Amino acid sequence: ILNVEQSPQSLHVQEGDSTNFTCSFPSSNFYALHWYRWETAKSPEALFVMTLNGDEKKKGRISATLNTKEGYSYLYIKGSQPEDSATYLCAFLTGTYKYIFGTGTRLKVLA
Amino acid sequence: ETGVTQSPTHLIKTRGQQVTLRCSSQSGHNTVSWYQQALGQGPQFIFQYYREEENGRGNFPPRFSGLQFPNYSSELNVNALELDDSALYLCASSSLATSTDTQYFGPGTRLTVL
Repeated sequence: ILNVEQSPQSLHVQEGDSTNFTCSFPSSNFYALHWYRWETAKSPEALFVMTLNGDEKKKGRISATLNTKEGYSYLYIKGSQPEDSATYLCAFLTGTYKYIFGTGTRLKVLA
Repeated sequence: ETGVTQSPTHLIKTRGQQVTLRCSSQSGHNTVSWYQQALGQGPQFIFQYYREEENGRGNFPPRFSGLQFPNYSSELNVNALELDDSALYLCASSSLATSTDTQYFGPGTRLTVL
């Protein structure tokens, strides 16, 4: 059974702090890794689609790295703001077009 | 706004009934995926449709079925509802079957089975 794990499950940070979380996934049968941000009462919003080992993507204060050989991806938020408060989900896409989501990291940024 | 809409927003059914959930994809998107999110879990992949054909399926029984229409709207049908089917159902559309393209999610349908 393929499993995707995210850590930590939740965290609280102060405004201005930088933070990061981890997505661990199977290192075999890899096709792509997606990161999403999901704010309460809204639709999940795509952040990054990562496909290549060593890939690094950036969107404003948020960036992500990918290591397909060891099966992990990191999401970084620099200078956290209250509007960054959300659940961050990663999803592993297998070569047979099946998505496997983690349970998410719930981030709360305190003003 | 993602341009993906779902209906209804909320739905209450009783065990054994059948339900149809609807999704309208973003314009130009030919691929739609459906997910079930139970409380405390991440979204679970149900299946994906590409150009009206099923293109991948997760670990869900056959009583979960789908349709995709030529205008790229789609339906999720669940027969013989069980209490454990209570969840948030999300659809997501994208423009390529390979799905390394970005997925755009709808707001979801909250299904309660009594």
